[in-house]
Amino acid sequence: NAGVTQTPKFRILKIGQSMTLQCTQDMNHNYMYWYRQDPGMGLKLIYYSVGAGITDKGEVPNGYNVSRSTTEDFPLRLELAAPSQTSVYFCASSRQGGSETQYFGPGTRLLVL
Amino acid sequence: RKEVEQDPGPFNVPEGATVAFNCTYSNSASQSFFWYRQDCRKEPKLLMSVYSSGNEDGRFTAQLNRASQYISLLIRDSKLSDSATYLCVVNLGGSNYKLTFGKGTLLTVNP
Repeated sequence: NAGVTQTPKFRILKIGQSMTLQCTQDMNHNYMYWYRQDPGMGLKLIYYSVGAGITDKGEVPNGYNVSRSTTEDFPLRLELAAPSQTSVYFCASSRQGGSETQYFGPGTRLLVL
Repeated sequence: RKEVEQDPGPFNVPEGATVAFNCTYSNSASQSFFWYRQDCRKEPKLLMSVYSSGNEDGRFTAQLNRASQYISLLIRDSKLSDSATYLCVVNLGGSNYKLTFGKGTLLTVNP
């Protein structure tokens, strides 16, 4: 099993550009999550999904959108990139909810200039 | 009180030392507790769950004190490979899905 995979590993965007961060898991997990991690800060939840077709906002959803058309895929869309979105983005999945281990992808480093 | 607060660190210890990290959480109804490990420029990975009675995994011991709302992680006989950031993670309750991550404590084990 590959676990959770993310692409790209690193990206530079100009202010106002858009992009999609890809996330795929092969563990047949129901729950998937997107976090961002800023230097010296804890992970902040952007969006989460409890199954295909169901998504909801986390703590810091502004400027982002998600979709979950399949169990495996959970892409994160950035519209109109801003310097404040410079961060490391982690996708994670778990079999069930908060009492279960979350498995993380390797992350996407995004720089918005 | 912050939702999940950890020792700010950093901790620099020699090989073979014993080191302990503490973490406090804000909600007495919190349900699940974990320690994750994050190596430099890598993703977080589960180190161990924390159970009410305390639990041990080799050189690592986790304790939970519900009355004082804190959890701890003890590392004995530190190895160079233990150098990493240790994240305290709590399901604060009120939602089945959400884990709240502390900012992490950086540990460096020196030869």
